[in-house]
Amino acid sequence: KNEVEQSPQNLTAQEGEFITINCSYSVGISALHWLQQHPGGGIVSLFMLSSGKKKHGRLIATINIQEKHSSLHITASHPRDSAVYICAVRWRETSGSRLTFGEGTQLTVNP
Amino acid sequence: DTEVTQTPKHLVMGMTNKKSLKCEQHMGHRAMYWYKQKAKKPPELMFVYSYEKLSINESVPSRFSPECPNSSLLNLHLHALQPEDSALYLCASSHPHLPGQSSYEQYFGPGTRLTVT
Repeated sequence: KNEVEQSPQNLTAQEGEFITINCSYSVGISALHWLQQHPGGGIVSLFMLSSGKKKHGRLIATINIQEKHSSLHITASHPRDSAVYICAVRWRETSGSRLTFGEGTQLTVNP
Repeated sequence: DTEVTQTPKHLVMGMTNKKSLKCEQHMGHRAMYWYKQKAKKPPELMFVYSYEKLSINESVPSRFSPECPNSSLLNLHLHALQPEDSALYLCASSHPHLPGQSSYEQYFGPGTRLTVT
């Protein structure tokens, strides 16, 4: 069964800390998405990656295709970064638009 | 405009009611999605429309009936729901994926919080 695993499940940090969330997947992918969801809210797409590294503000996403692993980094974390971060992949062999989601990482940044 | 809108934001309905959820986007996306999300769980795909035709139905019970009347609109008709159907219902859109082609970002709406009593 194709799987996506995220770690950690829960993460608590102090404001200003550097944060890393990890995502591993089982077989080849077309793309990997990092998504953010605030409590009670909709989902925002942060990054879509198929190789290398992307940066947007304080957020950095990397992917290692050979190791089937991606990381989301947040530099100088802030309480407004508190949210659930979800990794999702589109399998290479999948036809159509189906995404497989990880279970999410609940991030809490304390002031 | 990179916005997906959903109405209503909240909906409370009895098990005998009929209601509809609406989703709209004006990004020219020809793929639209319905997801169901329970608390502290990732979204579960329900339906995908591609070029206004139903392309994926993830074995969803018939009490949920999707409709895509045009390329900008997606509806989810609800009838005779059960309390366990209470959840956040998310709509999303993207360019349609064809075999061998690049992937595209999905843009999500804010969701409709549904409570079935």
